[in-house]
Amino acid sequence: AIQLTQSPSSLSASVGDRVTITCRASQGFNNALAWYQQKLGKAPKLLIYDAFNLESGVPSRFSGSGSGTDFTLTISSLQPDDFATYYCHQFYSFPITFGQGTRLEIK
Amino acid sequence: QVQLVESGGGVVQPGRSLRLSCAASGFTFSSHGMHWVRQAPGKGPEWVAVISHDGTKKYYADSVKGRLTISRDNSKNTLYLQMSSLGTEDTAVYYCAKDRRVEASNLDYWGQGIQVTVSS
Repeated sequence: AIQLTQSPSSLSASVGDRVTITCRASQGFNNALAWYQQKLGKAPKLLIYDAFNLESGVPSRFSGSGSGTDFTLTISSLQPDDFATYYCHQFYSFPITFGQGTRLEIK
Repeated sequence: QVQLVESGGGVVQPGRSLRLSCAASGFTFSSHGMHWVRQAPGKGPEWVAVISHDGTKKYYADSVKGRLTISRDNSKNTLYLQMSSLGTEDTAVYYCAKDRRVEASNLDYWGQGIQVTVSS
């Protein structure tokens, strides 16, 4: 199984900060990766699909990049609504796996 | 708009069975793969299973293989998860999720989730 390791596991930041979350895969693959945002008690919400495509309705401050074993989610200017937990997810091979999550907190 | 509504959860004793359903609307159900994803308290999402748009391909997480069975009825726009030989490790919120494509890729819509608690 492909293991996804996110870093950092938690992050404190301020409104307006630029934030980058990394997802490292145990083996390389193409762009078969997605990023989700999850708020407490809610289902995950798709932000980025196929590694770098912005899902419809998602603010343009979110962006994704990477290929091979290293992928990143960047939030260019944090807004109050962005404080949540973020997960990467690979669908390149079965079993499908998720990263362990990055909790983004207000500094 | 896309809606996914799970039902059938609850409290069940270890070793017993349960069937979850997910009623889909707002999109062409028969054109998309569908997944079950679960999340234990305080943990991240764990993928459980996927079924292709036409039901011919099914894949499972190792942790559920042989105990949980995914199926779909395209005439009823409904996804199912038959759960048997349940253990306490199966306690979680179960989400059904729509795939952007016909098999396994990005999960663009999720249901609200349904609680399954395995306890004696």
